[in-house]
Amino acid sequence: GQNIDQPTEMTATEGAIVQINCTYQTSGFNGLFWYQQHAGEAPTFLSYNVLDGLEEKGRFSSFLSRSKGYSYLLLKELQMKDSASYLCAVVNRGSTLGRLYFGRGTQLTVWP
Amino acid sequence: DVKVTQSSRYLVKRTGEKVFLECVQDMDHENMFWYRQDPGLGLRLIYFSYDVKMKEKGDIPEGYSVSREKKERFSLILESASTNQTSMYLCASSRARGLANYGYTFGSGTRLTVV
Repeated sequence: GQNIDQPTEMTATEGAIVQINCTYQTSGFNGLFWYQQHAGEAPTFLSYNVLDGLEEKGRFSSFLSRSKGYSYLLLKELQMKDSASYLCAVVNRGSTLGRLYFGRGTQLTVWP
Repeated sequence: DVKVTQSSRYLVKRTGEKVFLECVQDMDHENMFWYRQDPGLGLRLIYFSYDVKMKEKGDIPEGYSVSREKKERFSLILESASTNQTSMYLCASSRARGLANYGYTFGSGTRLTVV
């Protein structure tokens, strides 16, 4: 089976930096996704990592260490609109059809 | 722009009713998925399909069935709605495996309340 862990809740202030961690245990790891989901809306794609290292995309960066089964999403210069749930998801090489296995999500609240 | 459309944003149904949730994608994606999302439980996979007329059970298929008669449309059916099926239902689609960046595109969700 798959085991994906991420913190349930985090808070931070506007302008700050926050790091959301995700650890996973899976057989045949084949990539990790981060999605953002605002309340009442659909999740939207943020990043995809399949190789070790840091992928930077504007204010958001995602890091992966396959040997440690660990990823983090780094959000810089936080804005109020970054208040959302952040979902970590892994794809398993052995899984059917690129099915994603999701963590339970981290609810981030950004305070002014 | 790529799109996954769910027919209803909000739905209220009575216990015992047969309920149809429709999902249509315009990206020619092979794979389609139905999830439900509940507070504290995250996204749980109900059913998925990798081709027309093909379907596979996910983690919580009990009380649900699906239909995929055309590539672009994937329907979720609640045979006899119960109050414990009150939830947010999310449809998603993706390209077949082997292609780069085959993550999901999600629909906007249907919030179903069974009374």
